[in-house]
Amino acid sequence: EVLLVESGGDLVQPGGSLRLSCAASGFTFSTYTVSWVRQAPGKGLEWVSAISGSGVSTYYADSVKGRFTISRDNSKNTLYLQMNTLRAEDTAVYYCAKDISAFDYWGQGTLVTVS
Amino acid sequence: EIVLTQSPATLSLSPGERATLSCRASQSVGSYLAWYQQKPGQAPRLLIYDASKRATGIPARFSGSGSGTDFTLTISSLEPEDFAVYYCQQRSDWPITFGQGTRLDIK
Repeated sequence: EVLLVESGGDLVQPGGSLRLSCAASGFTFSTYTVSWVRQAPGKGLEWVSAISGSGVSTYYADSVKGRFTISRDNSKNTLYLQMNTLRAEDTAVYYCAKDISAFDYWGQGTLVTVS
Repeated sequence: EIVLTQSPATLSLSPGERATLSCRASQSVGSYLAWYQQKPGQAPRLLIYDASKRATGIPARFSGSGSGTDFTLTISSLEPEDFAVYYCQQRSDWPITFGQGTRLDIK
């Protein structure tokens, strides 16, 4: 069974930093691109960042470029999102999602509140 | 970036009726379009990928069609559990983008 479990969400002040983690199981983690997708309260879905299976290629939404860094540790089957210089508009539930043609598996999300 | 525009914003129908949801892209995305269903307090669930392929475990009443810039998600006969928010998403080019969603309400 594929499982993605996010953690690390918290209340943080504007300008602060936070690191999210996503623990994966049930599939060969190192062979798949994975993404972070967020959803502000009462709003739609926004793709944030993606990283290739090897970790060589990374991609970012313009809204987070230069502030967020995606990374992965394939030996630990874990995805990370380092978030710096946080803004109120970064407040959202952050999901990690496995990517094969589309986001076929999602975690339950972790809430980040910037206030 | 590729902008996806979903219509209508809200659709009010009764169980047993047919639902037709639209997604229009600002430029061609080929067939690289997916549809998701999201219920309150839950993560999105993949329904359709590559415009017309049903994801694992998705009932046959869900179907997708289209290519290029115009896409449709059809639910042939609504079940009570189908009332939710639906999003389209393109993966033709970076950044990946989502539509703003269509809320499917019980009439």
